[in-house]
Amino acid sequence: QVQLVQSGAEVKRPGSSVKVSCKASGGTFSSVSWVRQAAGQGLEWMGGVYPIFGSTTYAQHFRGRVTITADESTTTAYMELSSLTSADTAMYYCATAPRLPPDTWFDAWGQGTLVTVSS
Amino acid sequence: DIQMTQSPSSLSASEGDRVTITCRASQSISTYLNWYQQKPGKAPKLLIYDASRLQSGVPSRFSGSGSGTDFTLTISGLQPEDFATYYCQQTYSLVGFGQGTKLEIK
Repeated sequence: QVQLVQSGAEVKRPGSSVKVSCKASGGTFSSVSWVRQAAGQGLEWMGGVYPIFGSTTYAQHFRGRVTITADESTTTAYMELSSLTSADTAMYYCATAPRLPPDTWFDAWGQGTLVTVSS
Repeated sequence: DIQMTQSPSSLSASEGDRVTITCRASQSISTYLNWYQQKPGKAPKLLIYDASRLQSGVPSRFSGSGSGTDFTLTISGLQPEDFATYYCQQTYSLVGFGQGTKLEIK
């Protein structure tokens, strides 16, 4: 079973960017997605990276503002979100899937990284 | 985008009860439907994948069914640790989650 360890909490100013990392160990690194959750709200998929294909997909809501990358040599994925506003204050999770879409599911999750956007 | 609608949004039940949560997709998604459980302050946990397949280590009181646009998650014999929020997820077209169902103790 893959284990995912994310980087620590971040406090950012409005208009800036944040980059969160997700280190995988103990398994394959075929697909990593990022999901965010604002306080008291539901889960929102942001996008995913598929290192085996060198490709990424993004949710429409985040296109142009999020960049998801992966370094296979270090089995680490990254999510960078730019032009931050207070609406981006949330817990950000990475998750891996054992198979590629569409027949896929998130069977391992990171512990979450809290990003706070405040002036 | 495919919209996922869960019902009810919240549910009160007692230990030992059988509960059913419904998830409806705005278009057919075959069986590309997964269910997750989330407890406060924790990451989601996979319960069911491919609409009806039980994830390893998940108790057999959890079951899923459905295909196309209508899906259900059933918990037979609620245990104290089952009180949590449940989400459905489609992976047919990109990825989308339902809004969640909060299961509370009656």
